Amino acid sequence: DAEITQSPRHKITETGRQVTLACHQTWNHNNMFWYRQDLGHGLRLIHYSYGVQDTNKGEVSDGYSVSRSNTEDLPLTLESAASSQTSVYFCASSETRDNSPLHFGNGTRLTVT
Amino acid sequence: AQRVTQPEKLLSVFKGAPVELKCNYSYSGSPELFWYVQYSRQRLQLLLRHISRESIKGFTADLNKGETSFHLKKPFAQEEDSAMYYCALRHSGAGSYQLTFGKGTKLSVIP
Repeated sequence: DAEITQSPRHKITETGRQVTLACHQTWNHNNMFWYRQDLGHGLRLIHYSYGVQDTNKGEVSDGYSVSRSNTEDLPLTLESAASSQTSVYFCASSETRDNSPLHFGNGTRLTVT
Repeated sequence: AQRVTQPEKLLSVFKGAPVELKCNYSYSGSPELFWYVQYSRQRLQLLLRHISRESIKGFTADLNKGETSFHLKKPFAQEEDSAMYYCALRHSGAGSYQLTFGKGTKLSVIP
């Protein structure tokens, strides 16, 4: 069965370190997204991609970057981790840009100390 | 700018009681609305989308453009409905389609 997987499930890092969160999907979807989930804020879009070599900034992109070298993967990099980036991160993919549903990964819980 | 408002952070109801999770939106274009649900220890998943006009797990939601609302309703709550519910608005501009989520409502069904 097709799926979307995130790794690691949990990560603890120190302020200032570079961290990369992995997202891999086997749906063969062109569209991939990264969200962060915080109490009181719900889900907020960080970055998204509509295909290989395409990346776009979302609502809360500062301090994050993504790259899309193939269809299956959209890694999220925190260039210099900050305590404000402690959150649960969700990756998602969708078949089309318009009204197809998002398929979410299980999430990565990141703690920045 | 587009916005999705879920006024209740937490909603507690007794089993068998009716449930209504509120969602209001603001958007200048033609709205496309969704409800996503996250059960304990499970991934976020689509529950409903307004264009389908379907009932899933006994839940329905009607888009009311006059009141700019997309409330989620179920006539008789069940314990397995306890979860986090997010309302989401798909909006577009310059060929870009994005989902904006509300802050979520945690539904707790009391046995």
